[in-house]
Amino acid sequence: DADVTQTPRNRITKTGKRIMLECSQTKGHDRMYWYRQDPGLGLRLIYYSFDVKDINKGEISDGYSVSRQAQAKFSLSLESAIPNQTALYFCATSDSLSNGRGLDTQYFGPGTRLTVL
Amino acid sequence: GDSVTQMEGPVTLSEEAFLTINCTYTATGYPSLFWYVQYPGEGLQLLLKATKADDKGSNKGFEATYRKETTSFHLEKGSVQVSDSAVYFCALSLYGNKLVFGAGTILRVKS
Repeated sequence: DADVTQTPRNRITKTGKRIMLECSQTKGHDRMYWYRQDPGLGLRLIYYSFDVKDINKGEISDGYSVSRQAQAKFSLSLESAIPNQTALYFCATSDSLSNGRGLDTQYFGPGTRLTVL
Repeated sequence: GDSVTQMEGPVTLSEEAFLTINCTYTATGYPSLFWYVQYPGEGLQLLLKATKADDKGSNKGFEATYRKETTSFHLEKGSVQVSDSAVYFCALSLYGNKLVFGAGTILRVKS
């Protein structure tokens, strides 16, 4: 079984709809992240969480919200989807105890392809 | 702000050719540097990393050396295989393990 899972893997929705993307991990890591990938732009950080009670905005948080329901679960919501949120979304995890100095390796899920019409 | 610039792709090579993918960075401090690889239909996975100047990261025949004087971290492999076809991302991390990614370089290897 995969260590970092994302659901759904593909989603097509309409402008104005509320969408939730879910991420679960079995690695026991404390840190979780949400990124979006756009062609030619690489990955950009949306939100990150260093533990259950810690939520931080990333580079492009406008139009998104997150919930850290448990150490193993981190959900991303689009309150009112718009077409320019069409992208590939990745969840990632890391373990703050593995290395220190912010050098912990991030482990990525397989991604969710979201299309907003 | 902090940023990473990679050579544009796609890069198309024949099997057993030498690979170089250029990566340069701009950072306000002394970052750690990473190469991630994304195979078709999959998430990213760490390929190699280096944490200080002159460090060399290596894995699966790939190498990259942290060059502070040229702010570069170029990825090299002596002999590529078809199975190396993927998207390669250079990234840096300064504080709190927030990664800043380059745009990615598509590598296509022909048999």
